[in-house]
Amino acid sequence: EPEVTQTPSHQVTQMGQEVILRCVPISNHLYFYWYRQILGQKVEFLVSFYNNEISEKSEIFDDQFSVERPDGSNFTLKIRSTKLEDSAMYFCASRKDGGASGELFFGEGSRLTVL
Amino acid sequence: AQSVTQLDSQVPVFEEAPVELRCNYSSSVSVYLFWYVQYPNQGLQLLLKYLSGSTLVKGINGFEAEFNKSQTSFHLRKPSVHISDTAEYFCAVSGLRGSNYKLTFGKGTLLTVNP
Repeated sequence: EPEVTQTPSHQVTQMGQEVILRCVPISNHLYFYWYRQILGQKVEFLVSFYNNEISEKSEIFDDQFSVERPDGSNFTLKIRSTKLEDSAMYFCASRKDGGASGELFFGEGSRLTVL
Repeated sequence: AQSVTQLDSQVPVFEEAPVELRCNYSSSVSVYLFWYVQYPNQGLQLLLKYLSGSTLVKGINGFEAEFNKSQTSFHLRKPSVHISDTAEYFCAVSGLRGSNYKLTFGKGTLLTVNP
C-alpha cells in the first residue's frame, strides 16, 4: 500500500541551525501539506503546496520556514534558523485531489528537538 | 475559521468495555468532519469521515461516529474495545471549499485499553 514517508524520524539540533525535513508523498498525489504538533498541543496546519507553489500558509509559517519540491518526488520543509519553540513533531501529508472530501494521507512524522 | 474541542485528553478503559471519545466543533461554514488515529510510532490514519447524508458513519476497526449538527458534535464510539485500540485519536474538521480545505485538529484523546 502506498504511503507517505518522512526522514529523519528524529533530529536533534542546536538553536540557530538550519534544518531540512524531507517527505516523499504518494506518487500520484498532487497536494502536499506540512503540519506540526508541539508536545501536548494540537496538530497545527503550517502550509499547503500545489502546482509548485504555496497555496496557503498559516501565521506560524513565517520567513524562517520554506518548502520546495526540488525533484518531483521529494517535498521538503526547511527551517532556516531554528528556535527552541520549533521543537515539535512535523507531519507531512498528501492527497490526490484538492477536494476537502478526499483523504489526507500522513507520514509517520519527524520529531525535531532544538537545544 | 473552524475550531475543534476534544473534551478528554485521556480515556482509560478496560478491554471489551464500550468507549465514547467526545468531539465538539465550531464553524461559521458547513464542514466535513474526520477522526484520525495515531498508533505508537506511526503516522495519522483516517478512521472515518462525515461528508453528507446519514449522520451515523462507520469506519475501520469497528468504530463509528455520529454527526449532530444542533449540538455541533461528532463523537466517536466503539461498543467493545481491544487492547490494540490503544492509541491517540484526533478529531478534525475542514471547510467544504476554497482555502478552507485544510484540516483543523483537536488536541487529541489518548485512549488506553487495559486488560
